[in-house]
Amino acid sequence: GAVVSQHPSWVICKSGTSVKIECRSLDFQATTMFWYRQFPKQSLMLMATSNEGSKATYEQGVEKDKFLINHASLTLSTLTVTSAHPEDSSFYICSAYLYTGELFFGEGSRLTVL
Amino acid sequence: GDSVTQMEGPVTLSEEAFLTINCTYTATGYPSLFWYVQYPGEGLQLLLKATKADDKGSNKGFEATYRKETTSFHLEKGSVQVSDSAVYFCALYNFNKFYFGSGTKLNVKP
Repeated sequence: GAVVSQHPSWVICKSGTSVKIECRSLDFQATTMFWYRQFPKQSLMLMATSNEGSKATYEQGVEKDKFLINHASLTLSTLTVTSAHPEDSSFYICSAYLYTGELFFGEGSRLTVL
Repeated sequence: GDSVTQMEGPVTLSEEAFLTINCTYTATGYPSLFWYVQYPGEGLQLLLKATKADDKGSNKGFEATYRKETTSFHLEKGSVQVSDSAVYFCALYNFNKFYFGSGTKLNVKP
């Protein structure tokens, strides 16, 4: 099946710094990618929809200036957590939508902000 | 807005027991419905899907039927195995967005 790769899988940073997470579709072109945040009790929260060549669509309550999303090509979307704080510590998951109607997920990135 | 509600876990069963994980949804229009599974230490992967009312999705012994009248998509398996232990997510796709339930952790004991 289609493969989505996320990098880094694990990152620790100091409070106030910015962290970039990459999401790549390795063997297909993805015009649409989704970014989720997975909370400790397993719920997946849709943060934003990333569309190639246009601005991301953010869900209500998600700060677009805090979570910058760039979908620069058909195979790459990036999420940058700006001025990270401990409350931003979480598991971030990207996914890419294939024309068959299936959603493929990256392995996830665990962010810990000290 | 659109949303998915699924039963809270964890669900603990003995091997060969019958499994039901309830899922209901709220959506406008005609969403597609999915079950995703996350095995320990792995990413989410598609288990099964149904794209229209009365469709039945099935895979690996699991099945779920898209019931528009009750807005439900309950996951069932007749005989669970230890290897089925994982977190199961119900999801819907509508108007170019995916929404997920909170996940239900299944523990199957030998």
